[in-house]
Formats: sequence, structure tokens, C-alpha cells
Amino acid sequence: DQQVKQNSPSLSVQEGRISILNCDYTNSMFDYFLWYKKYPAEGPTFLISISSIKDKNEDGRFTVFLNKSAKHLSLHIVPSQPGDSAVYFCAASPANQAGTALIFGKGTTLSVSS
Amino acid sequence: KAGVTQTPRYLIKTRGQQVTLSCSPISGHRSVSWYQQTPGQGLQFLFEYFSETQRNKGNFPGRFSGRQFSNSRSEMNVSTLELGDSALYLCASRLEAGTGPQHFGDGTRLSIL
Repeated sequence: DQQVKQNSPSLSVQEGRISILNCDYTNSMFDYFLWYKKYPAEGPTFLISISSIKDKNEDGRFTVFLNKSAKHLSLHIVPSQPGDSAVYFCAASPANQAGTALIFGKGTTLSVSS
Repeated sequence: KAGVTQTPRYLIKTRGQQVTLSCSPISGHRSVSWYQQTPGQGLQFLFEYFSETQRNKGNFPGRFSGRQFSNSRSEMNVSTLELGDSALYLCASRLEAGTGPQHFGDGTRLSIL
């Protein structure tokens, strides 16, 4: 039973346009959400996070939106750049504390063409 | 600032052997977690250590174990290796309980022949 789902395995976007990556979750106990980016042969790199008390968090070109009622979050990248091409993972946890595991989605491969 | 360091990067073992993987967290980080990544299952949580104590354990058999030392460095051990243990093993660290995201190392690629 997948608690965190990224239903789009891949996404292709042109340079300069917006990339929107989506993530759905089923566990209503989740209250801390993160996005990671992963290049081949490297570990996941933390991008941005959001707690359930917010519905939006912004960091430069990256914005995460959280819709708790729909159990849905999305990552917006504006403008997209070729260097953004990577696998993006959504992750969630019940609380931001020791002993709390991150539950990951299967990832979405983003390809940004120039 | 140095990131999470995992050694070795690559490892080849045969069935029935055991293996120990090492992780040095970011300086000052006291919490260390381990994850297994496979093509079929994605990233799955193994366990987390904080102040030398295991705080949580994922749904893996007892062949998978770990420990954390007083300097926060961690090791994980897999005994009686099986073909299905072939995976990328990732270590992640963070400051301590309730503070911020986990930061990952580049992993150890374990191949079982």
C-alpha cells in the first residue's frame, strides 16, 4: 500500500517554462513534506519542505504548495533550466522528530530541453 | 561544509556473506537514518539512530542491523546476504530530533553475486 504516490513517472518541459510535479498521499497523520532531487550516481539532494501549518513555501525558483483537504502537494519550478533535469522525489512523515521515517514516492523524472 | 560521507561507494559480495557499511554524518548532526533504494521498491526506510539509540526500524528482517557511535558515525550490517539485498544503501543525517530535513550521502552500491 503506497502512502505517497507520484503518478507521473516522467515530465518533459522546455527551458524557461514552468515545471509542475505532483504528489498525493493517503496517510492523514503526515504533517511534514519534502522534495528531493536526485542525479544519477548521487544521493538525493534536499530542495524544499513544508509543514502542514502552511499551504505554500517558496525558495528561489522552487515553490511547494500543500492542499491538506485533497492530500496533495506540488512542486513548481519557475523558470525551468536544463540543469533541473533529474529525478524528483516527494517524501512525507508524521512528524519532524527523531525516529520518524520519511516515506518516499517512486519519483518523477523531469527532462528540461533547451 | 562536508556532507554525509558513505564508504565504500561500491561493494561486491556473494550470497551468504555479511557486509558492513559506514556513514559519517554532517558535522554537528546527531541523527542518522538508513534507507534502501531498489528499482522496484524505491526508497525504503531501514532504521534511524539518535544519541546512539535506535529510534525506529522499518519493515526489514533481522539480518539488517545498525549501530551509532558516540561521535554520531553509524554503521549498518547485513548478514547472510541474499540476491535481493542488491541495492543502493543511503545514509541521511540531520541535526537532531525535530529539526529540519534529512541530508543524504551518495550511497553504497551493494551487488550480490
